[in-house]
Amino acid sequence: GAVVSQHPSWVICKSGTSVKIECRSLDFQATTMFWYRQFPKQSLMLMATSNEGSKATYEQGVEKDKFLINHASLTLSTLTVTSAHPEDSSFYICSAGGGTVQETQYFGPGTRLLVL
Amino acid sequence: QKEVEQNSGPLSVPEGAIASLNCTYSDRGSQSFFWYRQYSGKSPELIMFIYSNGDKEDGRFTAQLNKASQYVSLLIRDSQPSDSATYLCAVNGDSNYQLIWGAGTKLIIKP
Repeated sequence: GAVVSQHPSWVICKSGTSVKIECRSLDFQATTMFWYRQFPKQSLMLMATSNEGSKATYEQGVEKDKFLINHASLTLSTLTVTSAHPEDSSFYICSAGGGTVQETQYFGPGTRLLVL
Repeated sequence: QKEVEQNSGPLSVPEGAIASLNCTYSDRGSQSFFWYRQYSGKSPELIMFIYSNGDKEDGRFTAQLNKASQYVSLLIRDSQPSDSATYLCAVNGDSNYQLIWGAGTKLIIKP
């Protein structure tokens, strides 16, 4: 139980394009979803928290106009990196919480973004 | 500002020995404590959780919680090379499913 999927697992794009990453909770309803970014050999960095049907709450220093988050249903959240630049290249990981036995976050497998 | 502290390591342990990973937290009111494992290049996965003082065992893993000392630990018995990973300690935050994360301890099991 508590399976979270992410798609795509890898994406390579040109600078200036937008990239959408999907995060789905497959066997539970995720009332809250989280988006993290992780650079090589660094710690997880929380980017934003989203509750179903509400606007996302962004962490300090994260540009909400650049990283668009939509949590339109209890099983799907999307992160769109708009006008991506090479410095946005990173490992993006979503997690979901809600409706599970353990009241904690379950992680998707992550998406590697490379912006050329 | 709630904080969770972990020694970044690396912690090197010979195969078959007990690996001991430690974590302290700042908020005395914290209720839930979690250990996640993150292999290099992968996302974190939940391996243990503990809510009450004392020990909780699950296979080769034992989580220990001491609320008076604001200290939580993870013991891995009969360590295997496949246990080599970064172990993240997390404590519940104020909002639903919010977690306060430690920076992680890198564990290396030497064959």
